[in-house]
Amino acid sequence: QKEVEQDPGPLSVPEGAIVSLNCTYSNSAFQYFMWYRQYSRKGPELLMYTYSSGNKEDGRFTAQVDKSSKYISLFIRDSQPSDSATYLCAMVSGGSNYKLTFGKGTLLTVNP
Amino acid sequence: DVKVTQSSRYLVKRTGEKVFLECVQDMDHENMFWYRQDPGLGLRLIYFSYDVKMKEKGDIPEGYSVSREKKERFSLILESASTNQTSMYLCASIAGGGETQYFGPGTRLLVL
Repeated sequence: QKEVEQDPGPLSVPEGAIVSLNCTYSNSAFQYFMWYRQYSRKGPELLMYTYSSGNKEDGRFTAQVDKSSKYISLFIRDSQPSDSATYLCAMVSGGSNYKLTFGKGTLLTVNP
Repeated sequence: DVKVTQSSRYLVKRTGEKVFLECVQDMDHENMFWYRQDPGLGLRLIYFSYDVKMKEKGDIPEGYSVSREKKERFSLILESASTNQTSMYLCASIAGGGETQYFGPGTRLLVL
């Protein structure tokens, strides 16, 4: 079983839709969870960072962590064409030399 | 804002050439990383460094070496480039005590 599983998509939605992106993981030691957004031919940029179980909101983005189910989600409300990108989940356990474990990414297209 | 820069956005090299990829960060981060990113395989860690002159192998170090002579600069070296090293190379850095990695824009390397 891979440490982090992420559906690669592609996911195509109309503008204004609510988008749900998900990752599951198997390593109980993971404590910190991140979502990165990567536009085509660019480096990943940090979008959201969470530590505890529950929800964290930032504008149109909400990150959700359920440690008991080993499941994290990113919700995008009122999606825009500019949200079209690959979304990568990442996680790390404490004291691991900061080595992140990444999902393979989900390609999202928001159609105008 | 953290800034991570990479020396080249695009690079074309011949098989057997020695290739140097440079990465510089301006936030005095202790930890720096080199990844390669390939379709369907996601981000894979090549090497990382947690201090000047210190390095550790990642998941796929074969065919690569690294150099960290100064804190702000982390170089990836392809000793003898091969066609299977054609890829997107990403550098990242993170502060000691931090959990989130900041990425550079990437170098797309083509080995002919």
